[in-house]
Amino acid sequence: SQTIHQWPATLVQPVGSPLSLECTVEGTSNPNLYWYRQAAGRGLQLLFYSVGIGQISSEVPQNLSASRPQDRQFILSSKKLLLSDSGFYLCAWSLKLNTEAFFGQGTRLTVV
Amino acid sequence: AQTVTQSQPEMSVQEAETVTLSCTYDTSESDYYLFWYKQPPSRQMILVIRQEAYKQQNATENRFSVNFQKAAKSFSLKISDSQLGDAAMYFCAYRSLAGKSTFGDGTTLTVKP
Repeated sequence: SQTIHQWPATLVQPVGSPLSLECTVEGTSNPNLYWYRQAAGRGLQLLFYSVGIGQISSEVPQNLSASRPQDRQFILSSKKLLLSDSGFYLCAWSLKLNTEAFFGQGTRLTVV
Repeated sequence: AQTVTQSQPEMSVQEAETVTLSCTYDTSESDYYLFWYKQPPSRQMILVIRQEAYKQQNATENRFSVNFQKAAKSFSLKISDSQLGDAAMYFCAYRSLAGKSTFGDGTTLTVKP
């Protein structure tokens, strides 16, 4: 069966520090991968999605970037965090673009 | 750009009763996919039900069903025989054929015993 791992679960980082959140999927090949951010009490905002290795689509211009160095690995990064980067980040995968997404447990990021 | 609107920030239902959560969306595309997700306090996103826009028949999953009105761009979720475990935040989501997803802001459902 397929599983998705996202870590860390919580993270407190100072302003100006770098960020690296990792997500890996097991049990499937060539998944579509997604990074979302969820502000408190709000819906999910799609940040990046990838349909293959090295293929990244950015939905919202911002202080973040994403990379897909391996088929089932998706990384969300920042060189210098801003206070506004605080939020709940969710990684997800889907088998096809028209199927449901399966979500990781999420990372609560607090920038102080 | 697609937008998804959930006009009910909060809803409540008595246990064993039926509740309907509304969702409308705006798109110029003719084919797409619609989803309802549930997010309990653990914040794990869980798929509730899925609908392909080309299918006229409304999707059903046990106690959960949708009323999909393509012309009206409406996609409501009906929960029958509500249970305490149904209490959560519910999100309506739109996905284009290209894979881009748009979520509504959610409806918090409270189930009263």
